[in-house]
Amino acid sequence: DTGVSQDPRHKITKRGQNVTFRCDPISEHNRLYWYRQTLGQGPEFLTYFQNEAQLEKSRLLSDRFSAERPKGSFSTLEIQRTEQGDSAMYLCASSIQANYGYTFGSGTRLTVV
Amino acid sequence: GENVEQHPSTLSVQEGDSAVIKCTYSDSASNYFPWYKQELGKRPQLIIDIRSNVGEKKDQRIAVTLNKTAKHFSLHITETQPEDSAVYFCAATLNTGNQFYFGTGTSLTVIP
Repeated sequence: DTGVSQDPRHKITKRGQNVTFRCDPISEHNRLYWYRQTLGQGPEFLTYFQNEAQLEKSRLLSDRFSAERPKGSFSTLEIQRTEQGDSAMYLCASSIQANYGYTFGSGTRLTVV
Repeated sequence: GENVEQHPSTLSVQEGDSAVIKCTYSDSASNYFPWYKQELGKRPQLIIDIRSNVGEKKDQRIAVTLNKTAKHFSLHITETQPEDSAVYFCAATLNTGNQFYFGTGTSLTVIP
C-alpha cells in the first residue's frame, strides 16, 4: 500500500454518457474525500466519507453526481449525463483523522467532448 | 463557509533568493492550515502545515507563519532552487476537518 490510487488516470467521454471513477485510499485511513480541480484553480471540495458514511456534500455535487464507499474501503464517484462543464481533474484524498494533511491520489482527468 | 484568498498568483525569483506567498482566511474558527505543492501534471503534496495554537513552524528551507488576529498565514521558502518551481496552494479548515478550503494557487518559477 504505497498511497492513494485512482483509476482511470484519464477518461474521455461524449456528452451525455455516464462515467465512474474509483479511489483506493491508504488502508488505515478512515476518512476519504473527493475534490475537483479545474485549470488554474485550487481543489474544490465535493464530498467526504468517514468509513462508509457520507457525512458531507458540497453544493457543487449536483444530482447528476453520486459517490459511494460501500465497505468503508474504496470509493466510487459516478457522473451521470456528463456535460462539458464536468471536464476537470477529479482528485481523491484520504487522511487518518480530522485536521491532518491529506494524501492525494494522482487524480482522474475527465474530458467531456 | 470559509473563504481563502492567496497572493500573488504568479511569482518569479532568482535561484537563491527567498519567496513568500500569503493567504488570508475569513472564518476565525479555522484552526488548521496546510500548504501543498503541485508540480505540473502531478498530485498535490503536503509540504508543511500549522495549527492555530502555533505562530510559526519551520522545516529546513520552508517556514510558515500564522497571525490569528489578522487571519493570515504565509509560506516562506529560503535559498530557492529550480526544483522549487511548482504551484503552491494554501488551505484552511475548521475544527471538524471535514473539508479543506483551498486558495487559488501561486505559480512559483525559480530562475537558475
